[in-house]
Amino acid sequence: NAGVTQTPKFQVLKTGQSMTLQCAQDMNHNSMYWYRQDPGMGLRLIYYSASEGTTDKGEVPNGYNVSRLNKREFSLRLESAAPSQTSVYFCASSEGSDTQYFGPGTRLTVL
Amino acid sequence: QKEVEQDPGPLSVPEGAIVSLSCTYSNSAFQYFMWYRQYSRKGPELLMYTYSSGNKEDGRFTAQVDKSSKYISLFIRDSQPSDSATYLCAAKAGTASKLTFGTGTRLQVTL
Repeated sequence: NAGVTQTPKFQVLKTGQSMTLQCAQDMNHNSMYWYRQDPGMGLRLIYYSASEGTTDKGEVPNGYNVSRLNKREFSLRLESAAPSQTSVYFCASSEGSDTQYFGPGTRLTVL
Repeated sequence: QKEVEQDPGPLSVPEGAIVSLSCTYSNSAFQYFMWYRQYSRKGPELLMYTYSSGNKEDGRFTAQVDKSSKYISLFIRDSQPSDSATYLCAAKAGTASKLTFGTGTRLQVTL
């Protein structure tokens, strides 16, 4: 059991470039989440998916889009990266509203 | 004002000391409280999960919730260098609610 995996681990982008962060879980969880973690701000929810085929905005959705590709995979897309999106991004999954299990994170720098 | 407030630390203690970590919250609807541990450059992992007021003990760790004062605590007995990490508190109102995280307290246990 790998749990929650994220790719890539590190990424450097230039302002205006686009990229997709990938997340997959092998725990057969229905719910998946994308967070960003910034110093002094803690973990903030960007988007979540309560079940396959549904997505909802979290606290800080602007500048991001998501796709729940299937039950296992939940991707986060930055269409036009900005320096304010420099952060560490975490994907998490849970069975309903139960314990959330986090991936190892993606460190993104936007220059 | 953040819904969950947490002193960022850092908190430095000698090995074997009792560690006390705490958070305050403002949302009276919060009923479920969690502590996550996050090692450097890793994703958060659930440490303790409590419902409503009271204590919960798991090995060297004790979580306390006082809903009357909106105060949650985590105690670590016989602290070890391996306990050095950032500790995040989190809360949610109902089983289907989203988690709200504190900013985390960095703990360093020295030899």
